[in-house]
Amino acid sequence: EAGVAQSPRYKIIEKRQSVAFWCNPISGHATLYWYQQILGQGPKLLIQFQNNGVVDDSQLPKDRFSAERLKGVDSTLKIQPAKLEDSAVYLCASTGQGSTTNEKLFFGSGTQLSVL
Amino acid sequence: AQSVTQPDIHITVSEGASLELRCNYSYGATPYLFWYVQSPGQGLQLLLKYFSGDTLVQGIKGFEAEFKRSQSSFNLRKPSVHWSDAAEYFCAVQGTYKYIFGTGTRLKVLA
Repeated sequence: EAGVAQSPRYKIIEKRQSVAFWCNPISGHATLYWYQQILGQGPKLLIQFQNNGVVDDSQLPKDRFSAERLKGVDSTLKIQPAKLEDSAVYLCASTGQGSTTNEKLFFGSGTQLSVL
Repeated sequence: AQSVTQPDIHITVSEGASLELRCNYSYGATPYLFWYVQSPGQGLQLLLKYFSGDTLVQGIKGFEAEFKRSQSSFNLRKPSVHWSDAAEYFCAVQGTYKYIFGTGTRLKVLA
């Protein structure tokens, strides 16, 4: 079974530039999450999708971050413009069922973003 | 509000010694509780989970955790630590819609 796919693996940009990350969850997984993990901290939930609808985006900095999952499968997270404090690993994760089931998260390998 | 607290940022133990990592949660009902491990340069791996039933949960790699409702805790334990257990450990809580992680505890193992 293929895992959660993320690309790119690494990205280096200058502040004020734009960047986009892509995630393809495990086939059939309805719930998709984007997390931001700053070095030395735990993953912070940015946005959660159930199929193509947003369930929770309360911690997404909406002035610069956006995400979509138009067909309920793969998802894109964008930052525009990037700031130095956005340097982090961006993790995509998915689960199979609804948002209140006790399933483990399947994580992608993450995208490590460095903003210079 | 739903939250997770891991009060210990760093823990150092000697190889062969026992280990307990603390996790406290805040949630209005009984949440689903998880422990994940992240080794350097690796992804997050699920160690164990609790959602109902026996409050002592067994996981992979010899880890176990005990859910204590009265203390809102879900502490992770291992009777004898191996050098390969050095990693960062995250407690996570799944309540209504949200899957929230603690800030993590970094474990160092001395030979």
